Amino acid sequence: GAGVSQSPRYKVAKRGQDVALRCDPISGHVSLFWYQQALGQGPEFLTYFQNEAQLDKSGLPSDRFFAERPEGSVSTLKIQRTQQEDSAVYLCASSSSRGRVNTEAFFGQGTRLTVV
Amino acid sequence: DAKTTQPPSMDCAEGRAANLPCNHSTISGNEYVYWYRQIHSQGPQYIIHGLKNNETNEMASLIITEDRKSSTLILPHATLRDTAVYYCINWDAGGTSYGKLTFGQGTILTVHP
Repeated sequence: GAGVSQSPRYKVAKRGQDVALRCDPISGHVSLFWYQQALGQGPEFLTYFQNEAQLDKSGLPSDRFFAERPEGSVSTLKIQRTQQEDSAVYLCASSSSRGRVNTEAFFGQGTRLTVV
Repeated sequence: DAKTTQPPSMDCAEGRAANLPCNHSTISGNEYVYWYRQIHSQGPQYIIHGLKNNETNEMASLIITEDRKSSTLILPHATLRDTAVYYCINWDAGGTSYGKLTFGQGTILTVHP
């Protein structure tokens, strides 16, 4: 596709339910990032992949959050036993850079998760 | 990543230039200055970036002071569609924090008729 695609666009989950959020990066992009954006705040870094390798997961808020990118393209962010504080927009971004040159990251539209 | 400081909000008249300032007094030598914007209900959109020279593209101009401690994003002829939150970010894409584009609170730019 022409840009980063995320699905679903909106997700309502009952507290305690598991959810899976999908990100289709721009074809051929090596780097993939996940961000969490609470209402009225800037995006907060969650995790980073270079191809299939998860090189930085320092931003994941708890062990209920898990991300994978098994074949180095599509990525899934999974949240287990969702809590109300998990309600946020989850943004995915991709970049062609391996982190060696100045570059830009392209963001998807995000998935708005609401936990009720 | 270095911390950046931006005014929380600014107004601009349609058709006039919008000048958005950013302070980044602790920027390191390898960090670039990036600007992104986020229109309501959309993901952040890349605008421009630079290291130490001024840059211009079809969207905006970026002016970086000689000491690199501050910068200004210029939208030369603002339109109503430029109303958004603008983020100034310092990022070393080649460093150990290459994954972390660190967003602050940004500046809410409102363009009015």
